[in-house]
Amino acid sequence: QSALTQPASVSGSPGQSITISCTGTSSDVGGYNYVSWYQQHPGKAPKLLISEVTNRPSGVSNRFSGSKSGNTASLTISGLQAEDEADYYCSSHTSSNTYVFGSGTKVTVL
Amino acid sequence: DVQLVESGGGLVQPGRSLRLSCATSGFTFGDYAINWVRQAPGKGLEWVSFIRSKVYGRRTESAASVKGRFTISRDDSKGIAYLQMNSLTTEDTAVYYCTRLRSSWADYWGQGTLVTVSS
Repeated sequence: QSALTQPASVSGSPGQSITISCTGTSSDVGGYNYVSWYQQHPGKAPKLLISEVTNRPSGVSNRFSGSKSGNTASLTISGLQAEDEADYYCSSHTSSNTYVFGSGTKVTVL
Repeated sequence: DVQLVESGGGLVQPGRSLRLSCATSGFTFGDYAINWVRQAPGKGLEWVSFIRSKVYGRRTESAASVKGRFTISRDDSKGIAYLQMNSLTTEDTAVYYCTRLRSSWADYWGQGTLVTVSS
């Protein structure tokens, strides 16, 4: 199972909105509404941001939102803040009843 | 509070074995699946293995990269999950995280334990 495809890096200025894409196939992203997103700051464990494509757990800022179209899922961060500078990973359930992560995206706040 | 604490990492020679533990608290362990995810130095996240709860037959699945070498298990009476890693190679060097698996997403993560495979 190959990693889902994410852009290596995305940047934006404070207050702007950015979108991170996560492209898979009909056997993973496109076939299930089980896409989740994680944020990881350097030296820290990942943190769940979004589950089931669009659901935000309690405590996660509403500046983070998820969506999906076909085989591509997306994470949008609105009102970009300095604290959003981190690595972001998508993940999906697969048709093999396993899981696959995306390649990861480094977000830089300019 | 939900907590997961990994232990058992360290330096091990290629070809040797290691067992990681994931001690949990703050939730009913037996009701949840447990996941292991790893991250090689400077690399991205890689899903390793999961074990479902008793209700789902404690079903396990593993990534192709570790199948036949790694075995996941759980002790519901102790609230601990394990990852037995055999025939280790340098490619297995990584921080290993255990996570609680809620449906198909990892909602809580441990702090990770570093496994270094080197001669």
